[in-house]
Amino acid sequence: GESVGLHLPTLSVQEGDNSIINCAYSNSASDYFIWYKQESGKGPQFIIDIRSNMDKRQGQRVTVLLNKTVKHLSLQIAATQPGDSAVYFCAENNAGNNRKLIWGLGTSLAVNP
Amino acid sequence: NAGVTQTPKFQVLKTGQSMTLQCAQDMNHNSMYWYRQDPGMGLRLIYYSASEGTTDKGEVPNGYNVSRLNKREFSLRLESAAPSQTSVYFCASSSPAGSGNQPQHFGDGTRLSIL
Repeated sequence: GESVGLHLPTLSVQEGDNSIINCAYSNSASDYFIWYKQESGKGPQFIIDIRSNMDKRQGQRVTVLLNKTVKHLSLQIAATQPGDSAVYFCAENNAGNNRKLIWGLGTSLAVNP
Repeated sequence: NAGVTQTPKFQVLKTGQSMTLQCAQDMNHNSMYWYRQDPGMGLRLIYYSASEGTTDKGEVPNGYNVSRLNKREFSLRLESAAPSQTSVYFCASSSPAGSGNQPQHFGDGTRLSIL
């Protein structure tokens, strides 16, 4: 038979543009959210996190926005560079769940020079 | 600054063979985790250890066993490998701080193929 694979959502941007990667989370009781970057052949690398008592947090060139009303999380990357090309994962956690993260399926970001 | 170190990086096994994947962290973290990553399926938790001396099942524990050897080391064992266990395996660690969560830090993975 024929196998069917799941394809990651892909975001393609021009170098220098801003990127926005979106994530819908599932559990309204989740109180901690985190973004990871995964480059080919590497493990996930922590980018930024946010707790549910905040709606925005900024890092170096990255901003995470949290909208608890619609259970939506976004990662904004300013002045996207070729080195930002990777798969980006969001993850959520309920503090009562012994720190087990619930992972999204990822978004592939391609930066065109 | 090593962080989380996994060995081996690559391995090919035959169906029915056994194998232990090793993981060590040098960040004095309390919690350690084993995940598998398959195309299009994100990361799935196999087992975790909240602290030295404890282990618990994650989402997909069948066919695996773990040992938290000490605070630094957390190993994953496949007793009788099956083709369905072909995957990339990641180890991670984290340390609770106060009442909040802390990010997990990952190794670079073990790429395992079962023939």
